[in-house]
Amino acid sequence: SQQGEEDPQALSIQEGENATMNCSYKTSINNLQWYRQNSGRGLVHLILIRSNEREKHSGRLRVTLDTSKKSSSLLITASRAADTASYFCATAINDYKLSFGAGTTVTVRA
Amino acid sequence: DTEVTQTPKHLVMGMTNKKSLKCEQHMGHRAMYWYKQKAKKPPELMFVYSYEKLSINESVPSRFSPECPNSSLLNLHLHALQPEDSALYLCASSQVGSANQPQHFGDGTRLSIL
Repeated sequence: SQQGEEDPQALSIQEGENATMNCSYKTSINNLQWYRQNSGRGLVHLILIRSNEREKHSGRLRVTLDTSKKSSSLLITASRAADTASYFCATAINDYKLSFGAGTTVTVRA
Repeated sequence: DTEVTQTPKHLVMGMTNKKSLKCEQHMGHRAMYWYKQKAKKPPELMFVYSYEKLSINESVPSRFSPECPNSSLLNLHLHALQPEDSALYLCASSQVGSANQPQHFGDGTRLSIL
C-alpha cells in the first residue's frame, strides 16, 4: 500500500517555467524524501527533509514540509529539458520499508 | 553513471527457465534492497538485506529467491516465473538498513516473461 499520494499525476511546462508538485502522506514521519526517475533509468535521490524542517533547498529544487497537514511540495525552478522525468515522494512506514507515492510525470517542452 | 550496477539490463525468459539478476555496490553500504516496478507505477519493495541478513520479505512468491553472498553483492534468483512478473527490477543500497536513509538505485533489469 502507498503511504504518499501525489498531485498532479502529470504536468507539462515550457522550458524556463517553474514546476510544482505536491505529496500527501498518512502517518507521522521522521523525514520525507524526493526521488527523480528518468525514463528507462533507476531512481535518483534528490533531497531529504526532516520532520523538524519546514523548507530545504538544493540547487534549483525547493522542498517544503508541513507536518500539520501531512504534506510536502517540490518546486523545480527554471526548468530544463533534462528535468523531464517522474518524481516520487517517499516516507518510511517502518524501520526498513520506504513507501513511494504514485508519482508526478513532468514533461518540459522546448 | 550510477554507483549501483545491475546486470543484465534486459532479460527475456520463458516460464520454465532459471535465471539470476545481479547487483553490485562498492560504496560500503550495509543494506541492499530489491524492488519491482511496473510501468507507470512506483517501486514496490520485495526484499531487504541488512548486514548480509534477510530482514524483510514482503510476502514475495517463492519463485523469487534472493541471495546476499557478501556486503557488496545481491542476487535475485528466478525460477518458473509468470507473465505478470514482467517488470523493471531495481536494486538499491543505503548506508545502513533504515528507511530513513537515502537509497541509491541501479538502473534496473527489465524482465520480460514469455
